[in-house]
Amino acid sequence: QKEVEQNSGPLSVPEGAIASLNCTYSDRGSQSFFWYRQYSGKSPELIMSIYSNGDKEDGRFTAQLNKASQYVSLLIRDSQPSDSATYLCAVSPNTGGFKTIFGAGTRLFVKA
Amino acid sequence: DAEITQSPRHKITETGRQVTLACHQTWNHNNMFWYRQDLGHGLRLIHYSYGVQDTNKGEVSDGYSVSRSNTEDLPLTLESAASSQTSVYFCASSEASGRGATQYFGPGTRLTVL
Repeated sequence: QKEVEQNSGPLSVPEGAIASLNCTYSDRGSQSFFWYRQYSGKSPELIMSIYSNGDKEDGRFTAQLNKASQYVSLLIRDSQPSDSATYLCAVSPNTGGFKTIFGAGTRLFVKA
Repeated sequence: DAEITQSPRHKITETGRQVTLACHQTWNHNNMFWYRQDLGHGLRLIHYSYGVQDTNKGEVSDGYSVSRSNTEDLPLTLESAASSQTSVYFCASSEASGRGATQYFGPGTRLTVL
């Protein structure tokens, strides 16, 4: 079992729709969770971090965390073609230090 | 503005040659990381450092080495390049905070080993 798992996609949604990206992780003691966006040929950039169970909203983005189910998700409302990218889920395991384990990413296509 | 840079951006080398990829950050971060990214595997950690003279192996460290002589730089050396090391390499840095901290990534180096 991979430490951080994501559906590789591609996930295709029409412009204006809600895109839902999901991630599961194996280390039950993980404390910190991140979503990075990576455009083709570019480096990853952080869009959301979440540390507590529940929802965290930032503009059109909402991160959801359920530690009991070891599940974290990212919702993108009013999806735009500019949101087309690969979204990487990342988890800091409960092993001390500052390492981050990345999932393989989900490719999102937003159709105009 | 603070930034993290990598050089070269593209490199073609031959099997068996030694290659060094440079990473320089002006964030003054203690933590620095090297990843490789291959299709279907996401980002895999090669080596990381939590400060000067500190280096640690990641999940795919075989054939790679790093050294940390100052806060700003963490060069990655491929001792004897192999075709399996053809990949895109990303350097990243982060603050040393209590929780997992945001990682800031460099632009990447695309390495081809022939």
